[in-house]
Amino acid sequence: SQQGEEDPQALSIQEGENATMNCSYKTSINNLQWYRQNSGRGLVHLILIRSNEREKHSGRLRVTLDTSKKSSSLLITASRAADTASYFCVTGSNSGYALNFGKGTSLLVTP
Amino acid sequence: NAGVMQNPRHLVRRRGQEARLRCSPVKGHSHVYWYRQLPEEGLKFMVYLQKENIIDESGMPKERFSAEFPKEGPSILRIQQVVRGDSAAYFCASSLFEHQNTEAFFGQGTRLTVV
Repeated sequence: SQQGEEDPQALSIQEGENATMNCSYKTSINNLQWYRQNSGRGLVHLILIRSNEREKHSGRLRVTLDTSKKSSSLLITASRAADTASYFCVTGSNSGYALNFGKGTSLLVTP
Repeated sequence: NAGVMQNPRHLVRRRGQEARLRCSPVKGHSHVYWYRQLPEEGLKFMVYLQKENIIDESGMPKERFSAEFPKEGPSILRIQQVVRGDSAAYFCASSLFEHQNTEAFFGQGTRLTVV
């Protein structure tokens, strides 16, 4: 399966701290995406990193990609209570058009 | 600029009834996707449609489920003769290009409960 697996499953930090989430996947990819979901609601796209990129930034987000290890990380700096959500690492299917979601990392940021 | 609109937000059906879930994509988006999410799980792909065409339905159960995206109007996910196992959140997404290579916009979902 191409499905990514996030680690840890749950993370609890205080406001102002940094949060790091990791993702591993199994087969080759063209790109990897991270999405956020607030409390079972709709998903919001955070960032897309291509297979020939090693690092990408967007505001307080920093994503890395290591294709040799088939892994990615998402770093949220200076976290806020509003960052509380589930974060999903998403890869494309090698056959077909599906996006493959892992079970996500549940992040709780307390004031 | 409205995002992806799904309705209803909550739907309760008795076993054996039909469920119709509607999705209006972002204006200008011709790529529409349906995903299903069980509690504490990630989303599972069901079907990918472009206007009037089903491109990939590899995640759709072979029986009772169907989807359409007509030339005019919203995309519809239809579940006939619902069973308890169909209870889940169903999310629709749309994108300007095929969503493996670009940002997809998701709706707030329809939570289907089968009683």
